[in-house]
Amino acid sequence: SQQGEEDPQALSIQEGENATMNCSYKTSINNLQWYRQNSGRGLVHLILIRSNEREKHSGRLRVTLDTSKKSSSLLITASRAADTASYFCATDNYGQNFVFGPGTRLSVLP
Amino acid sequence: DAGITQSPRHKVTETGTPVTLRCHQTENHRYMYWYRQDPGHGLRLIHYSYGVKDTDKGEVSDGYSVSRSKTEDFLLTLESATSSQTSVYFCAISAASSYNEQFFGPGTRLTVL
Repeated sequence: SQQGEEDPQALSIQEGENATMNCSYKTSINNLQWYRQNSGRGLVHLILIRSNEREKHSGRLRVTLDTSKKSSSLLITASRAADTASYFCATDNYGQNFVFGPGTRLSVLP
Repeated sequence: DAGITQSPRHKVTETGTPVTLRCHQTENHRYMYWYRQDPGHGLRLIHYSYGVKDTDKGEVSDGYSVSRSKTEDFLLTLESATSSQTSVYFCAISAASSYNEQFFGPGTRLTVL
């Protein structure tokens, strides 16, 4: 079964609004990563947060991690049309591999 | 994009034929991965490699084999393609296992008729 599950499956917002996506997972992790995928392209790494971190920022991105709830959130502030993409969380359980969730499809409308 | 290429980018084949997909990297990264992406499933790991001639199975390895004879090349083979293997295949590389980000190739769209 999948380790990470994103929520919601799809999200539509207006340009300038904030977008929040959530990821829940089932077992203990070493770190959690978020990736973006534009239509027809490969995934691009956005941010990595380690299990001993609670919050991380990168430009307009803010990621939180709550290991007690086994959940993470990705916040994109002041969204732009170019942010339209699918977003995936990937978790590892101290192994050599990651497990990706099914993703959240974000549409930012002009 | 990181120095990762996949070939072919698109392929249409018939059930029962063998198919080999190639992933080539110029980053000298130790780890290489093959994923398949299907609607509603995200990415699922097929096989991965942690060094030349060192490979292991992932979540959905049945019907697939891999080989890595050089650091820069990782081959995925479908010995006898089936329609259920119609998918988009992504190769990824990583400098060091799960402590580092993965860089993805552009993908190969495979259709098995």
